[in-house]
Amino acid sequence: GAGVSQSPRYKVTKRGQDVALRCDPISGHVSLYWYRQALGQGPEFLTYFNYEAQQDKSGLPNDRFSAERPEGSISTLTIQRTEQRDSAMYRCASSPPQDTQYFGPGTRLTVL
Amino acid sequence: DAKTTQPNSMESNEEEPVHLPCNHSTISGTDYIHWYRQLPSQGPEYVIHGLTSNVNNRMASLAIAEDRKSSTLILHRATLRDAAVYYCILRGSNSGGSNYKLTFGKGTLLTVNP
Repeated sequence: GAGVSQSPRYKVTKRGQDVALRCDPISGHVSLYWYRQALGQGPEFLTYFNYEAQQDKSGLPNDRFSAERPEGSISTLTIQRTEQRDSAMYRCASSPPQDTQYFGPGTRLTVL
Repeated sequence: DAKTTQPNSMESNEEEPVHLPCNHSTISGTDYIHWYRQLPSQGPEYVIHGLTSNVNNRMASLAIAEDRKSSTLILHRATLRDAAVYYCILRGSNSGGSNYKLTFGKGTLLTVNP
């Protein structure tokens, strides 16, 4: 079956621009997670949704980062006024409740 | 979150067994031991998990020490496709905690030689 998909796969933007990263989870998965991964490091938790409810956003670095999942399926991670330090791989994962997480291919964000 | 310690890198030859160690001396009684791996240019993928008893699946085996302070992921016959970063992660079972998120360390980079 279809896995987690993310778009775009690559995004290059200029400093100060806003970007929106999309995650389409596996059908029926109620839990959705966003992680950020720097080169040579493991993924770092950003935020978690249970259905449409954002249960934990403790990993979001600052208030320029926000995420939503309005209908409990597709999620969007938005970064406002991007900075060079925001450059990273952004990964989305989904799972049934409290179960194995399935990761998408990621969006490589480069801020110039 | 309870911390895990893994070697930065390991090397193996194709067709040979590989034992990837993980220390987790501060593990709590309700923590499951999970292993994920990340192949080059891909997202992490689940390998195996266990609580107390040794576990086997089609990908690997997990051997858990009796005191649960360490565990070993065993690949019985390494292939070139097993070259990846392997992450050992502790995940609580209590629904009231933050057990939903995975806390990744740096993992072990496994190189498989032909």
